[in-house]
Amino acid sequence: KQEVTQIPAALSVPEGENLVLNCSFTDSAIYNLQWFRQDPGKGLTSLLLIQSSQREQTSGRLNASLDKSSGRSTLYIAASQPGDSATYLCAVCPGNTPLVFGKGTRLSVIA
Amino acid sequence: DTGVSQDPRHKITKRGQNVTFRCDPISEHNRLYWYRQTLGQGPEFLTYFQNEAQLEKSRLLSDRFSAERPKGSFSTLEIQRTEQGDSAMYLCASSLAGQGVTPLHFGNGTRLTVT
Repeated sequence: KQEVTQIPAALSVPEGENLVLNCSFTDSAIYNLQWFRQDPGKGLTSLLLIQSSQREQTSGRLNASLDKSSGRSTLYIAASQPGDSATYLCAVCPGNTPLVFGKGTRLSVIA
Repeated sequence: DTGVSQDPRHKITKRGQNVTFRCDPISEHNRLYWYRQTLGQGPEFLTYFQNEAQLEKSRLLSDRFSAERPKGSFSTLEIQRTEQGDSAMYLCASSLAGQGVTPLHFGNGTRLTVT
């Protein structure tokens, strides 16, 4: 059974810092991996999708990497801003089946 | 593209009552998913449809839960004889399955409180 773990569970950083969020998964046979953002009381917003054949994806200040063989992904946020404060969720697609989510990392960026 | 919409946003009900939630996906999306999320946890998969066919149901989906997508457009999720343990955020998502992979687009959820 696929399990997804996110470390740390919570993170607080001063504005302007670069930071890395970690995601690990137990079964490397994945179809793709997605990173989402969730604001309190809201739904999830897709940030980046990495296909199993890709190593990384970039969008603005965000960069996500994927190492299938080691079962790891990282989300790098450059020059963090208070507006980046949210919960970041990692999810893997085991195949032609629905996404399996981690519990998320709650990020606070302090002005 | 108006996004995925869910109704109602909040629902408070007494234990034992039935509740029904509605989800309107992005119009061209053929896949529709229901997830449940409790505080501090990631979303847990409940069920999904491709067009009007329900393709998979989680073991989390007890016989008190039923979902439909009658015309392959909107979907409803009904919970019968609600229990306090059903209190959660119910999230709907849609995607386009076919050539390639598209990300899931989520609605803002329906927060259910069972008293």
